[in-house]
Amino acid sequence: EDQVTQSPEALRLQEGESSSLNCSYTVSGLRGLFWYRQDPGKGPEFLFTLYSAGEEKEKERLKATLTKKESFLHITAPKPEDSATYLCAVQADSNYQLIWGAGTKLIIKP
Amino acid sequence: EAGVVQSPRYKIIEKKQPVAFWCNPISGHNTLYWYRQNLGQGPELLIRYENEEAVDDSQLPKDRFSAERLKGVDSTLKIQPAELGDSAVYLCASSSARTGLYGYTFGSGTRLTVV
Repeated sequence: EDQVTQSPEALRLQEGESSSLNCSYTVSGLRGLFWYRQDPGKGPEFLFTLYSAGEEKEKERLKATLTKKESFLHITAPKPEDSATYLCAVQADSNYQLIWGAGTKLIIKP
Repeated sequence: EAGVVQSPRYKIIEKKQPVAFWCNPISGHNTLYWYRQNLGQGPELLIRYENEEAVDDSQLPKDRFSAERLKGVDSTLKIQPAELGDSAVYLCASSSARTGLYGYTFGSGTRLTVV
């Protein structure tokens, strides 16, 4: 069964304190792995799509990496405005449905 | 360019009453999705449209939920009758590619409370 598990559930960091969020997945043939950011009261906002193991993508203070079993979202020198819930999802190559994780709630304190 | 527009933003109804949500996707996006999101969880797909055709409605509770996408643009999701367990945020999203690999654009959602 296709499955996505994110950890930790919540993460509190001081401003400037770098860390990583984890997304572990099992899928029968990966078409793509997605990272989204969700602010309170809003819908998820697309960040990245990763397609194959070894791929990396960057956007400002965020860098996403992918292996055959998991993805990491690295946050370098975060700022309070990076506070949000980060969602991971995978798409199998057998259909177009996304399997979503429950998200990691990131809180950056000034 | 306007994003995905949803209305209403909030809705409070009594159980057994009907409710409807409306979505206007990004212009030119042929694929439209309705998701339900409970607190602390990821979104759960209810239905996916390619133009006006519902191509994946396997997780839509068809005894009480219905959806339509007339002319392949705007869409409406309806619940009748609503149950307490339907309380959630209902999200609409659209994408330019059928696969969604370039990302979905989500609306801000409708927060439904059933009392």
